[in-house]
Amino acid sequence: DIQMTQSPSSLSASVGDTVTITCRTSQSISRYLNWYQQKPGKAPRLLIHAASRLQTGVPSRFSGSGSGTDFTLTIISLQPEDFATYYCQQSYSAWWTFGPGTKVEIK
Amino acid sequence: QITLRESGPTLVKPTQTLTLTCTFSGFSLSTSGVSVGWIRQPPGKALEWLALIYWDDAKHYSPSLKSRLTITKDTSENQVVLRMADMGPADTATYYCAHPSYSTDHDAFDIWGQGTMVIVSS
Repeated sequence: DIQMTQSPSSLSASVGDTVTITCRTSQSISRYLNWYQQKPGKAPRLLIHAASRLQTGVPSRFSGSGSGTDFTLTIISLQPEDFATYYCQQSYSAWWTFGPGTKVEIK
Repeated sequence: QITLRESGPTLVKPTQTLTLTCTFSGFSLSTSGVSVGWIRQPPGKALEWLALIYWDDAKHYSPSLKSRLTITKDTSENQVVLRMADMGPADTATYYCAHPSYSTDHDAFDIWGQGTMVIVSS
């Protein structure tokens, strides 16, 4: 299995802050890394695929980077609607896996 | 427009087999490269990838649950069925089906169903 970790597991931030979430994998997955946002009671929403490709309709304040085993999701100028849980997910292996999630809370 | 909808029982008893159906529209599971997957989320916990079925009937399962899962497709009915045997309380979760569309090179779940809650209790 490809193991995935995210850090931090949670963070508190204010509107307007820049937030960075890290995802690490136990083996190289090239750029087969996706980021999702999930709000309570809702299905996840794809933000970024292939490590850095912004999904249609997603605000440009979201960006992704990385390759191999280390990836980051950055949110510039955090907005009220960005408070949610964020998951990374790899699609390199035949069986995909999600990271444990990072909860972004209001400070 | 692509849509997916999960259906199945809300309550199952321990040791029973859960059968969930994902009914979709807007794409065909007979088209090259197309797939549909299942993901679950226990209350307050993280997403867990379960299984994926491809247009050519290739199937992939979570290694930790592989012995309990069966995924099948009915192309003519536009449905994907997930069966999970020997259900226990730890399987209480919201179950989602999702589709990685061509816009993500079929490598990310960009279309999701609304999810269906399943409770395991006697």
